[in-house]
Amino acid sequence: EAGVAQSPRYKIIEKRQSVAFWCNPISGHATLYWYQQILGQGPKLLIQFQNNGVVDDSQLPKDRFSAERLKGVDSTLKIQPAKLEDSAVYLCASSLVLAGGKGIQYFGAGTRLSVL
Amino acid sequence: GNSVTQMEGPVTLSEEAFLTINCTYTATGYPSLFWYVQYPGEGLQLLLKATKADDKGSNKGFEATYRKETTSFHLEKGSVQVSDSAVYFCALTSYGQNFVFGPGTRLSVLP
Repeated sequence: EAGVAQSPRYKIIEKRQSVAFWCNPISGHATLYWYQQILGQGPKLLIQFQNNGVVDDSQLPKDRFSAERLKGVDSTLKIQPAKLEDSAVYLCASSLVLAGGKGIQYFGAGTRLSVL
Repeated sequence: GNSVTQMEGPVTLSEEAFLTINCTYTATGYPSLFWYVQYPGEGLQLLLKATKADDKGSNKGFEATYRKETTSFHLEKGSVQVSDSAVYFCALTSYGQNFVFGPGTRLSVLP
């Protein structure tokens, strides 16, 4: 079974530039998550999709971050314009929807972003 | 809201030593508890889980028991290997709530 695919693995940009990350979840997983993991910290949820609808984006800095999952499969996360503090690893995860709660999340390898 | 507290790292052990990484939590309702592991340059992988009180999750020699009375889910392994060097994250979710991760504990095992 193929895992969660993310690209690119690494990205270096200058502040005020824009950047986009791509994620393809495990086939059949309706729920998709984007996390931000700053060095030395645990992942912080940015946005959660179920199919192509947003379930939770309460921690997404909407003035500069956007995400979409138009066809309910793969997803893109964009930052425009980037700030120095956006330097982090951006993780994508997916899960099945299970009755009574949330399914186990499976993570991609992440995209490491450096903003100079 | 829900939260997870982990022992601070880094933890440095010699091969074959006993490992304990403490994790305590605060949650509403009846959370499910998880340990994820992150090897260098990789994403998080589920190591083990427990979904109700007194459940014991186990995998690859690691174990953790869901203790509701102490709100804890400590990770243990009887004999660590160099290949266990990684960052370990305790996490929880409860119905209607998203995953909450602890800050992670870095483990280094020396030969």
